[in-house]
Amino acid sequence: NAGVTQTPKFQVLKTGQSMTLQCAQDMNHEYMSWYRQDPGMGLRLIHYSVGAGITDQGEVPNGYNVSRSTTEDFPLRLLSAAPSQTSVYFCASTNQGATGNTIYFGEGSWLTVV
Amino acid sequence: RKEVEQDPGPFNVPEGATVAFNCTYSNSASQSFFWYRQDCRKEPKLLMSVYSSGNEDGRFTAQLNRASQYISLLIRDSKLSDSATYLCVVIPWAGTGKLIFGQGTTLQVKP
Repeated sequence: NAGVTQTPKFQVLKTGQSMTLQCAQDMNHEYMSWYRQDPGMGLRLIHYSVGAGITDQGEVPNGYNVSRSTTEDFPLRLLSAAPSQTSVYFCASTNQGATGNTIYFGEGSWLTVV
Repeated sequence: RKEVEQDPGPFNVPEGATVAFNCTYSNSASQSFFWYRQDCRKEPKLLMSVYSSGNEDGRFTAQLNRASQYISLLIRDSKLSDSATYLCVVIPWAGTGKLIFGQGTTLQVKP
């Protein structure tokens, strides 16, 4: 099925470890973004991309890196995990066409940093 | 001021009640507006887009008020299955793919 594939679904990290959350979409969408969701905080934008080779920071970018070498993939890297990064992470891809906007979400990645 | 704000609730209503949520946004040039539903921190699911003329889908009605910079969601004849968190989503500028979320409004429908 077409959509956004996000992996891993669950991960436990030790403080200081690094890891990459993967996000891939097969809909040829230009726009992709990463969010974190903490209890009572809604979804906060970490980084976003308007196309291959172009990324920008969102509201809470510190501690995270992204790259967009292809249209399909938008990985999120945690450089040195901290307990404050314990959260649920969602990847989204968007098309903004003449008929309007459609947003597709991955199923989420539950990350615990101990 | 947050770019998109919602009353977090919770809204506790009996089955059959009508309930309304509002969401305000700060960027008057915002392009697109949506209501999403989220269950237990699973991925958000599109409930409905919000159009300038207002739109209705069954028991759900969405309105956009550009002058006052808010959108609303009205749920009529609430069902137990409507219990969820409702997220307001705004695309502030066309061509960015940047999505701004409200913090969500929690609805609990009780028998």
